[in-house]
Amino acid sequence: AQSVTQLDSHVSVSEGTPVLLRCNYSSSYSPSLFWYVQHPNKGLQLLLKYTSAATLVKGINGFEAEFKKSETSFHLTKPSAHMSDAAEYFCVVSDLPGSSNTGKLIFGQGTTLQVKP
Amino acid sequence: GAGVSQSPRYKVTKRGQDVTLRCDPISSHATLYWYQQALGQGPEFLTYFNYEAQPDKSGLPSDRFSAERPEGSISTLTIQRTEQRDSAMYRCASSLGGVETQYFGPGTRLLVL
Repeated sequence: AQSVTQLDSHVSVSEGTPVLLRCNYSSSYSPSLFWYVQHPNKGLQLLLKYTSAATLVKGINGFEAEFKKSETSFHLTKPSAHMSDAAEYFCVVSDLPGSSNTGKLIFGQGTTLQVKP
Repeated sequence: GAGVSQSPRYKVTKRGQDVTLRCDPISSHATLYWYQQALGQGPEFLTYFNYEAQPDKSGLPSDRFSAERPEGSISTLTIQRTEQRDSAMYRCASSLGGVETQYFGPGTRLLVL
């Protein structure tokens, strides 16, 4: 079965410093991986996705993630945090499409990012 | 429409009442998903539709939960005889299918008293 583990429930950084949100995945297949962001009282927004093309994936708002098969990791990074980055971030793996799979998303527990001035 | 919409945004009900939540997906999207998100947790899959077909409802927590999408567009999620443990955010997402991006609506926050 597919699963993801987000290694930190809370991360706090100062504005202008780098952001690192850690995610490990478990998958029997070459996975499709995503990062979604949830701002307070708003819906989930896709930041970026990996679908077996380039291992370094660039997303919106300066975020990027690197797929490392040997480490089964898909960590999210940003060189310089902005106050508006404060939100909850979810690492997500997709069940595979096909006759017995749904394409459903399997979410991690989430990491709350706090950005201090 | 321009995005996925859900209604109501908030619903407060008393234990034992039935509730129906509505999802209006992006108009070109064949696939529609329902997720349940408890406070402090990530969303969890409930069920999905491919047009009007419902190939997988394995995530529905009990037979009190049902969903339909009769014309392959708007979907409803109905919870009968609500219980306090049903309190959660219910999220709908739609996509073109497969590993295409799922676009989420704003969610319906359900509180069962």
